[in-house]
Amino acid sequence: DIQMTQSPSSLSASVGDKVTITCRASQSIGSFLNWYQQKPGKAPKLLIYAASSLQSGVPSRFSGSGSGTDFTLTISSLRPEDFATFYCQQSYSTPKTFGQGTKLEIK
Amino acid sequence: EVQLVESGGGLVQPGGSLRLSCAASGFTFSSNWMSWVRQAPGEGLEWVANIKPDGSDKYYVDSVKGRFTISRDNAKNSLYLQMNSLRAEDTAVYYCARDLGYCSGGNCYNWFDPWGQGTLVTVSS
Repeated sequence: DIQMTQSPSSLSASVGDKVTITCRASQSIGSFLNWYQQKPGKAPKLLIYAASSLQSGVPSRFSGSGSGTDFTLTISSLRPEDFATFYCQQSYSTPKTFGQGTKLEIK
Repeated sequence: EVQLVESGGGLVQPGGSLRLSCAASGFTFSSNWMSWVRQAPGEGLEWVANIKPDGSDKYYVDSVKGRFTISRDNAKNSLYLQMNSLRAEDTAVYYCARDLGYCSGGNCYNWFDPWGQGTLVTVSS
């Protein structure tokens, strides 16, 4: 199975900050990488698919990059509604595995 | 509006069984792969199983193989997860999700969108 490792596991930031979350795969997965946002008590929501494609309706302050084993999710200027937990997920092979999550908290 | 609504969760004793359902609307259910994803309390996300549009192919995470069965009824726009021999470690919120994707240059990319609201399964005596 492909293991996905996110860093950091938690992060404190302020409104207006630029934030970067990293996801590393245990083997090369090309661009088969997705990012989700989950708020407490809610279902995950797709943000980015195929490493860098922005899902329709997601604000342009969210962006994704990377290929192979190293990927990043960047939020260019944090807004209050962005504080949540973020997960990466590989779709290169089955079982489809997720990172452990990065909890983004208000500083 | 594309919508997925799960039901069937509840409290069950270890070794017991439960059947989850997911009602789909707002899209052509019979054309889409579908998945179940779970989340233990306070933990991360774990993909459980998925099923091909016509139901002919099914895949499972190792931890549920032989105990869980994914199925679908395209006439009813419904997805199911039959869970047998339940264990405490199966306690989680179970989400159904549409497997969406596209193919380009020989590569087929997939992602989960949308997700249902989830249904809680608690395995405890």
